[in-house]
Amino acid sequence: EAQVTQNPRYLITVTGKKLTVTCSQNMNHEYMSWYRQDPGLGLRQIYYSMNVEVTDKGDVPEGYKVSRKEKRNFPLILESPSPNQTSLYFCASSTSGGWTEAFFGQGTRLTVV
Amino acid sequence: SQQGEEDPQALSIQEGENATMNCSYKTSINNLQWYRQNSGRGLVHLILIRSNEREKHSGRLRVTLDTSKKSSSLLITASRAADTASYFCATSRPGNTGKLIFGQGTTLQVKP
Repeated sequence: EAQVTQNPRYLITVTGKKLTVTCSQNMNHEYMSWYRQDPGLGLRQIYYSMNVEVTDKGDVPEGYKVSRKEKRNFPLILESPSPNQTSLYFCASSTSGGWTEAFFGQGTRLTVV
Repeated sequence: SQQGEEDPQALSIQEGENATMNCSYKTSINNLQWYRQNSGRGLVHLILIRSNEREKHSGRLRVTLDTSKKSSSLLITASRAADTASYFCATSRPGNTGKLIFGQGTTLQVKP
């Protein structure tokens, strides 16, 4: 089954404690991205990757890092989480960015206290 | 920055009625896509319409695109309780990296 898998689904952490949210897709997609969703603000892109070892900032990259060492994986790293990063996070993949449909993971609800 | 803006923000109808949601955007696009999100879950792609297309159908869904007005509409016919969800439009712009820019969504409630 074609899917994008995120882990964990729910996470509560404390300010400053580094964390990683994993994302994996099994569709051999080149394009992957991370979004955060906040009430009243919709989905905003954090980072994206057009292929292995190619990543770039989206609209709200501050406080986040990503890496793309393998085609299937695109982890999101919060080196020092802060309460304003409390949000619902989604990973997405597609064959070619906005040119084709995107497949989304089920989301990670992160709470930073 | 957000490109698309959906209207209305919330819509409540009875089962069997049609639901229409509108999306406006500000700049030229490659395509416009509609997604559905059930509460707190991932987005599911519904339909993609390219900038040179005016109308597209998929089952009970009908999407129109008017590039002169920079607007699109999503019509769900004969709605069902299972259609209750949030609906988002997303645009892909020319010369861009291919990223999608999402609107803030329309929340649809279909009452049985």
